[in-house]
Amino acid sequence: GAVVSQHPSWVICKSGTSVKIECRSLDFQATTMFWYRQFPKQSLMLMATSNEGSKATYEQGVEKDKFLINHASLTLSTLTVTSAHPEDSSFYICSAWDSSTRTDTQYFGPGTRLTVL
Amino acid sequence: QKEVEQDPGPLSVPEGAIVSLNCTYSNSAFQYFMWYRQYSRKGPELLMYTYSSGNKEDGRFTAQVDKSSKYISLFIRDSQPSDSATYLCAMRAAGNKLTFGGGTRVLVKP
Repeated sequence: GAVVSQHPSWVICKSGTSVKIECRSLDFQATTMFWYRQFPKQSLMLMATSNEGSKATYEQGVEKDKFLINHASLTLSTLTVTSAHPEDSSFYICSAWDSSTRTDTQYFGPGTRLTVL
Repeated sequence: QKEVEQDPGPLSVPEGAIVSLNCTYSNSAFQYFMWYRQYSRKGPELLMYTYSSGNKEDGRFTAQVDKSSKYISLFIRDSQPSDSATYLCAMRAAGNKLTFGGGTRVLVKP
């Protein structure tokens, strides 16, 4: 199956700082990537859809100024959590859409655990 | 009511047993159905992908879709302790946005 990487796998930062998370599709080009947030023992919550070369589409209730998304190339999308606060601590997972195969669906990265002190 | 309902479990079975998981959905526009496996603190891994009613088999995994009843199932034969994980059903309509069930925790005891 398609491979998606995320970096870093975990990060600890101080309140008020910004954190950037990278999502890369390693063996396919992804015109669309997705960013999810997951709380313990809960399912994935879609935050935004990232389209290469255009602005991201945010889900209702997600602050676009707080969660900045950039999809500058067909293999890279970044999520920047600006002015992070403890309530932003969560597991962030990206996925990339692979439309080149018969299973045109989303393939997920391994996730990034963010802890804001 | 959620668009996709999935029993959260936990579902505990002895090693070697058949694990039976299911999801129901309300949106008749859903055409594509997936099952993902998620280990703790990891991203979901695609297990099965189907788009028509009926059965699809891949190794120890069988996915069933019944569009008339809006019901999908995943069966895991000869379950192993390494199958212990959370299983998420997901589905989509014509677009590429997925709607997930809440996930079922499965524990396979040796």
